[in-house]
Amino acid sequence: QVQLQESGPGLVKPSETLSLTCTVSGGSVSSGSYYWSWIRQPPGKGLEWIGYIYYSGSTNYNPSLKSRVTISVDTSKNQFSLKLSSVTAADTAVYYCARARAPSRYWYFDLWGRGTLVTVSS
Amino acid sequence: EIVLTQSPGTLSLSPGERATLSCRASQSVSSSYLAWYQQKPGQAPRLLIYGASSRATGIPDRFSGSGSGTDFTLTISRLEPEDFAVYYCQQYGSSTGFTFGPGTKVDIK
Repeated sequence: QVQLQESGPGLVKPSETLSLTCTVSGGSVSSGSYYWSWIRQPPGKGLEWIGYIYYSGSTNYNPSLKSRVTISVDTSKNQFSLKLSSVTAADTAVYYCARARAPSRYWYFDLWGRGTLVTVSS
Repeated sequence: EIVLTQSPGTLSLSPGERATLSCRASQSVSSSYLAWYQQKPGQAPRLLIYGASSRATGIPDRFSGSGSGTDFTLTISRLEPEDFAVYYCQQYGSSTGFTFGPGTKVDIK
């Protein structure tokens, strides 16, 4: 079955850029059936959607993070990636990749990665 | 921007009891765009309900969702030991994307 796996540095320095990759296995990121998303969760807190990308490269970002976020897709590697610039301690969180069905009458995340903790600290 | 509010913050119940969780939106939300998730410690969220009332694949029928407009409810008819977790509602807006509620923790009384 389809699985998502996040990877990337677990520690990032303040003011630097956080970079994560989500590898899709058992399925194709080129499928036109899904939007590929990033969601984060600060320790002990709730969920925050960061943004999503379609295989064509079209994106939609959370307005509160839009100025710092870039999501890209690499169909040759079956991966999609997140870059978050100018990070601060407030960006410390577990970062999840997830998929949402598209186009769809419904909007929800039906598959999630296990998440990866990224700590922002010097 | 639509803000989701969940109540109560914590619900303390015993196994076998009924749990009723509320999700209220600051503006009317399309029922098609309302979902519920369960999250256990150290795990990713799991989809329970989409379209306000449709159970996701493999979700037991003790979980049910209802509501429309600004008021939505997740009901667990009889709590099983594995149901003690945090529950989040989520909505989608075309201009703002996805928004999650702050969560309701269901713990053992």
